[in-house]
Amino acid sequence: KAGVTQTPRYLIKTRGQQVTLSCSPISGHRSVSWYQQTPGQGLQFLFEYFSETQRNKGNFPGRFSGRQFSNSRSEMNVSTLELGDSALYLCASSSGQGGPAYEQYFGPGTRLTVT
Amino acid sequence: DQQVKQNSPSLSVQEGRISILNCDYTNSMFDYFLWYKKYPAEGPTFLISISSIKDKNEDGRFTVFLNKSAKHLSLHIVPSQPGDSAVYFCAARYNFNKFYFGSGTKLNVKP
Repeated sequence: KAGVTQTPRYLIKTRGQQVTLSCSPISGHRSVSWYQQTPGQGLQFLFEYFSETQRNKGNFPGRFSGRQFSNSRSEMNVSTLELGDSALYLCASSSGQGGPAYEQYFGPGTRLTVT
Repeated sequence: DQQVKQNSPSLSVQEGRISILNCDYTNSMFDYFLWYKKYPAEGPTFLISISSIKDKNEDGRFTVFLNKSAKHLSLHIVPSQPGDSAVYFCAARYNFNKFYFGSGTKLNVKP
């Protein structure tokens, strides 16, 4: 079974620009979550999409948005980039059904650098 | 609002000895707790989880303990191996599929 893929792996953008990151979940998984990882902050939850609907949301400004397509692939968009947005962005897929042995599968991440 | 905290940014252990990684949380509504392992340039990989109704879960060399009254969980690795050297994140699940992660503990197992 193919794992979670994220594209691109590395990205350099300038302050004020916008960026779109893509995530393809494991086949059959309907839930995709996005996280921002920065040094010292760990992973911070951005949002979760399940069956094309945003089901959960973290505490990030409206510049961060996402969507999910009918094939469960998801995109995350950040508008008006700030230097502080430089981070590793991880997506994770799961069945989304919860259960007693819950786990998420993470992709390798997209390293975004804002200059 | 750091609802899950890992207060030790790093831990160094001798090969063969026990590694104990700690995690504290504040929200009593979390229903599952998980540990993830992360190598550089890779995404975190799931290691072990525990339901909030349990106090211990074991999987091979890995055991997670949950102390609900203290809002504390720990991961024990016995015996520690050099290949266990990685960053370990604890996470807690809330509201079906919303996860809060700690800031991570970098474990170094010395041969």
